[in-house]
Amino acid sequence: GDSVTQMEGPVTLSEEAFLTINCTYTATGYPSLFWYVQYPGEGLQLLLKATKADDKGSNKGFEATYRKETTSFHLEKGSVQVSDSAVYFCALSDIAGGKLIFGQGTELSVKP
Amino acid sequence: GAGVSQTPSNKVTEKGKYVELRCDPISGHTALYWYRQSLGQGPEFLIYFQGTGAADDSGLPNDRFFAVRPEGSVSTLKIQRTERGDSAVYLCASSLRHSTGGVNEQFFGPGTRLTVL
Repeated sequence: GDSVTQMEGPVTLSEEAFLTINCTYTATGYPSLFWYVQYPGEGLQLLLKATKADDKGSNKGFEATYRKETTSFHLEKGSVQVSDSAVYFCALSDIAGGKLIFGQGTELSVKP
Repeated sequence: GAGVSQTPSNKVTEKGKYVELRCDPISGHTALYWYRQSLGQGPEFLIYFQGTGAADDSGLPNDRFFAVRPEGSVSTLKIQRTERGDSAVYLCASSLRHSTGGVNEQFFGPGTRLTVL
């Protein structure tokens, strides 16, 4: 079945460092891809999405590009802030239905 | 406007008891989803409704789990004969409508933390 694998955390960075969180997927067909974020004490929020190959999703300085050839959707940000500290989830939505399939999450901690 | 709300926020029960978890979606959202999130894991899909009917219940782990949405708005997840392994955060999400390809954003509630002693 469809699945998502993302790099294990926790990831600890200094403020203004470059961030990459790897995400790869297995799916039949061409799913839509998402990054969700969960800030401390808050619910899951959509960060960005891409619906077809080579699409780039972006929001709040974060970017991810849908790479069909490598089945990847890596999250990047050029300069992280302390306020980016959160758990990040990569997810896909299969073609047949609307349910989301999530990776296990990557905890990011940004130190001043 | 109001987001997705879930009640209770916390529920502690004893093994073998029955529990009900409630989800109030965003007004006008016809699609409603339930997920379960264990500690250190990503959410796992349980069931989704399009209107009043369960369109996909393939994620329900066994017949102790059941969900309803009788009027196409509020949904209740029901767990019979709870087990310690049912302890998790139960998340509800809603979206405008289900669409093939799943491009409609799902808005998540804060979750209900269920603890089975």
